[in-house]
Amino acid sequence: DAGVTQSPTHLIKTRGQQVTLRCSPKSGHDTVSWYQQALGQGPQFIFQYYEEEERQRGNFPDRFSGHQFPNYSSELNVNALLLGDSALYLCASSSRTGRAIETKNIQYFGAGTRLSVL
Amino acid sequence: AQSVTQLDSQVPVFEEAPVELRCNYSSSVSVYLFWYVQYPNQGLQLLLKYLSGSTLVKGINGFEAEFNKSQTSFHLRKPSVHISDTAEYFCAVRPNYGQNFVFGPGTRLSVLP
Repeated sequence: DAGVTQSPTHLIKTRGQQVTLRCSPKSGHDTVSWYQQALGQGPQFIFQYYEEEERQRGNFPDRFSGHQFPNYSSELNVNALLLGDSALYLCASSSRTGRAIETKNIQYFGAGTRLSVL
Repeated sequence: AQSVTQLDSQVPVFEEAPVELRCNYSSSVSVYLFWYVQYPNQGLQLLLKYLSGSTLVKGINGFEAEFNKSQTSFHLRKPSVHISDTAEYFCAVRPNYGQNFVFGPGTRLSVLP
């Protein structure tokens, strides 16, 4: 059973460019959340997708957008890259369905995509 | 809004010694509590969680944590650490009505030989 997979593992871009990061959730999960982890800090919530819609959003500008596909996989897009966007981007999957409290309340993380903006 | 404080940014400890990593949170609603570990160049791995029931929860790799509602704390403990426990540890909370996690800034545990 594959866990959460993210691609690519590393990415180098220049200021002003656009980037797309991809995430496949753990089997059986229907919800994908994205986090940004700057060097030396804890992850910061960007947004969450469920049923192909953005359900919740953190304090990030509109340059950050996403998408969820019918197979529950997800993309994170960042436009007009800034130097400050350099970070590890983490994808987490979970399940909103199911009755068990554990099923609904645990997020499993991928290994992340390390984005460097030069 | 919720917030998480991890008072110690770095904790050095000798191998086989006990360790406690502190976590305090603030929230106006009930929360679920988690500890995640991050090894170098890797994602986050769930160590343990408090969702309900007993306030003392046991996790993987011999770690345990105790939820103290009155002190709004969820400190992580291990009676005897190993070199392999060297990693970054993150405390996180999730409000019981919402979906996103709020993470603390992390504690770097360094186990010395």
